[in-house]
Amino acid sequence: ETGVTQTPRHLVMGMTNKKSLKCEQHLGHNAMYWYKQSAKKPLELMFVYSLEERVENNSVPSRFSPECPNSSHLFLHLHTLQPEDSALYLCASSQDSAGTSGNTIYFGEGSWLTVV
Amino acid sequence: DQQVKQNSPSLSVQEGRISILNCDYTNSMFDYFLWYKKYPAEGPTFLISISSIKDKNEDGRFTVFLNKSAKHLSLHIVPSQPGDSAVYFCAATSNTGNQFYFGTGTSLTVIP
Repeated sequence: ETGVTQTPRHLVMGMTNKKSLKCEQHLGHNAMYWYKQSAKKPLELMFVYSLEERVENNSVPSRFSPECPNSSHLFLHLHTLQPEDSALYLCASSQDSAGTSGNTIYFGEGSWLTVV
Repeated sequence: DQQVKQNSPSLSVQEGRISILNCDYTNSMFDYFLWYKKYPAEGPTFLISISSIKDKNEDGRFTVFLNKSAKHLSLHIVPSQPGDSAVYFCAATSNTGNQFYFGTGTSLTVIP
């Protein structure tokens, strides 16, 4: 059983839809992340939150909007996506942000997004 | 700019033999390294890590070796089992940054 849970596991949405991905971590961690994994590409960091404050935003298009209401929950709001945004979206958490030596990041099972 | 590289996209090994997965990095500030295993349609699962103050860390069948001068690490799996068939990612981080850097992964197939 993973300490990081993501819902939904699968999502199909049209380009004009608005949907959200949800992530919850049960590990008492202070940092949470959104990653994107496309086929044959490395994991791409999208957003990092530490103690509910965004500390990293890797030039992600504004059609992706994160929200971190508390240290246990992280959302990714999706709006007017493109077909090339279809990918596996992974949520993760770590005790502290990556700048702490010895920190380990734990992933959820991912949300498969298909944009049609 | 890919700071962590896994140059072998795939590897096939006979059951019972050793699997060696390699990873190179370019940033000399990295001081903590991790390996993850990923099955299809699942998120990566943490396997083993190593701090830059060590050159070896062992956990059961998994051993990670770090060669700082070569900026190279490797994951050894002995003996390999069919259930080890998965994609393996290496990752690195430093105490001066805000993120983890991942390689592109190596797909390991253990042949029964």
